[in-house]
Amino acid sequence: QFVLTQSPSASASLGASVKLTCTLSSGHSSYAVAWHQQQPDKGPRYLMKVNSDGNYNRGDGIPDRFSGSSSGTERYLTISSLQSEDEADYYCQTWGTGINWVFGGGTKLTVL
Amino acid sequence: QVQLVESGGGVVQPGRSLRLSCAASGFTFSSYGMHWVRQAPGKGLEWVAIIWYDGNNKDYADSVKGRFIISRDTSKNILYLQMNSLRAEDTAVYYCARQISTRYRGQFDYWGQGTLVTVSS
Repeated sequence: QFVLTQSPSASASLGASVKLTCTLSSGHSSYAVAWHQQQPDKGPRYLMKVNSDGNYNRGDGIPDRFSGSSSGTERYLTISSLQSEDEADYYCQTWGTGINWVFGGGTKLTVL
Repeated sequence: QVQLVESGGGVVQPGRSLRLSCAASGFTFSSYGMHWVRQAPGKGLEWVAIIWYDGNNKDYADSVKGRFIISRDTSKNILYLQMNSLRAEDTAVYYCARQISTRYRGQFDYWGQGTLVTVSS
């Protein structure tokens, strides 16, 4: 079964940087992931796609404080210069034939 | 700009039916695959269904297969989700989302604000 694993929670200080991790199931290191942000009581917002080679493409209007990277089966979302509005849940997503569309369990980011 | 606006949620008894709508604007609706995704209270996101750009190809999560039907009206730019034989575990906020690629599987690049469905007697 295809699984995306995320840490349930993370925290970092205002103005600092944080790196969130999404781990793909073993044997699926070629898959890209997308990152989505969900602020409290809002619908998700697409942030970016991160490819297996580490290249990433941000969605419309997403500031360059948000960046992506990869290593093996791990896909990362880095947020720099943290702002209070970055406090949100962050979900990774992948897709493919036979697995349809799969989401990780989400990481709740607290900005201290 | 791209906008997706869901409606049709509410409280419904177990075993009954409900139809959700998602009004799309700001893009060529008929060119994109569209999805429904749900989020149970306090839980994560769960993919529910896709209808491809041509309207002929559809797929469903196992949890709703045989009970939910996804459809689209390209003349009105509206996506639908007909939910039958509803269960308590279908209680969730339902989001519609646009798939970034037209002919291939890909990520979702725009989401709606969601509509809440509560299944309870």
